Amino acid sequence: QSALTQPRSVSGSPGQSVTISCTGTRSNVGNNKYVSWYRQHPGKAPKLIMFDVSERPSGVPDRLSGSKSGNTASLTISGLQADDEGDYYCCSYAGTYVVFGGGTELTVL
Amino acid sequence: DVQLVESGGGLVQPGRSLRLSCAASGFTFSTYAMNWVRQAPGKGLEWVAAISASADTTLYADSVKGRCSISRDNSKSTLYLQMDSLRAEDTAIYYCTKWVYWFESWGQGTLVTVSS
Repeated sequence: QSALTQPRSVSGSPGQSVTISCTGTRSNVGNNKYVSWYRQHPGKAPKLIMFDVSERPSGVPDRLSGSKSGNTASLTISGLQADDEGDYYCCSYAGTYVVFGGGTELTVL
Repeated sequence: DVQLVESGGGLVQPGRSLRLSCAASGFTFSTYAMNWVRQAPGKGLEWVAAISASADTTLYADSVKGRCSISRDNSKSTLYLQMDSLRAEDTAIYYCTKWVYWFESWGQGTLVTVSS
């Protein structure tokens, strides 16, 4: 049940694009489509922003996109906005356990 | 709208027990698996435990296995987490979550502090 690996921080200017990677193993990320992403603002509960690798919940803009290649999933945010700042967590369901990434802090410069 | 309201957190001494509750509304509770996720102060998210809709299957993180028990009362739309032999490293905000192979909805969390 080792945590998935995410970069500790990423940054970009308004309007730019950033990509957050999430690396797991063949047992979790590489094994199925159940990769999800969450954004958390300070002092708030996390919010689902992507599921099934690349599906967006209702209300999440199409500026956010997800993908997966092998054991690595990625979240791309294009057209960065100030409200995109926050902590981002990837997550994978592995059948008998669930594992999160360590989190990535996104800063909009 | 889905609402998940946790309760039962507080300050507890190491080695003692605590039971968290989560009152659910806005969806058919008995048809969804539920989970607990925690977040230690200043740290990332950690999955704790899962329970199937009918409560016939439970899963636990290695860090709490043998010390925690997840349960539910579908007649009351309530999820529980019984935590025994609490340790300082169990200090965290505990979130109740609605599960569909991903954490679809989250409560606001309840803070558990383990300290003497």
